[in-house]
Amino acid sequence: QVQLVQSGAEVKKPGASVKVSCKASGYTFTSYDVNWVRQATGQGLEWMGWMTPNSGNTGYAQKFQGRVTMTRNISISTAYMELSSLRSEDTAVYYCAAMTTGTWGQGTQVTVSS
Amino acid sequence: DIVMTQTPLSLSVTPGQPASISCKSSQSLLHSDGKTYLYWYLQKPGQPPQLLTYEDSNRFSGVPDRFSGSGSGTDFTLKISRVEAEDVGVYYCMQSKQLPLTFGGGTKVEIK
Repeated sequence: QVQLVQSGAEVKKPGASVKVSCKASGYTFTSYDVNWVRQATGQGLEWMGWMTPNSGNTGYAQKFQGRVTMTRNISISTAYMELSSLRSEDTAVYYCAAMTTGTWGQGTQVTVSS
Repeated sequence: DIVMTQTPLSLSVTPGQPASISCKSSQSLLHSDGKTYLYWYLQKPGQPPQLLTYEDSNRFSGVPDRFSGSGSGTDFTLKISRVEAEDVGVYYCMQSKQLPLTFGGGTKVEIK
């Protein structure tokens, strides 16, 4: 079945970077855009950006411009989201989603704490 | 950015009774291709969001037919014809007509 499996929870110090992976299975990875969405505890959903796996083209929400990088490794059907200069407000669950297929990853908890 | 406004904030429903959630967008979600890019999601506790309807009124695969999406332009509604216990969670509308994708603030549905 169509599935996105994300990497495990991360704890980072302020100023550090985090890289979350998202491995696709059950469909052709290059067929659908991958979006990244985050959710702080008890809060709503916030879109961060998208990537087209085939071309590597990306688009980022203005809020994250300069701090986020979305990449992929087609050979292992995996998308990545790297967020730098972390601050406490970045503590959240990060999701990847192939929205056209209705498929979301299970989420990755990123905690930023000194 | 397109602002998505959901009402109500929360809803307490008796099993078997209907429920309705409203979503209004700050701009029309009707694209020049004729499609309306409005989606409804349900996020159950501790889970990622799950797609209920897409492009305004199309029910996603496997979604029970008690869920229906309707509306046009800037005004949209998700209706649950007969609420069941498994329908609890937070419902979100989302637009993908233009970037950035934006979500409504969410409507929490509880069972009485």
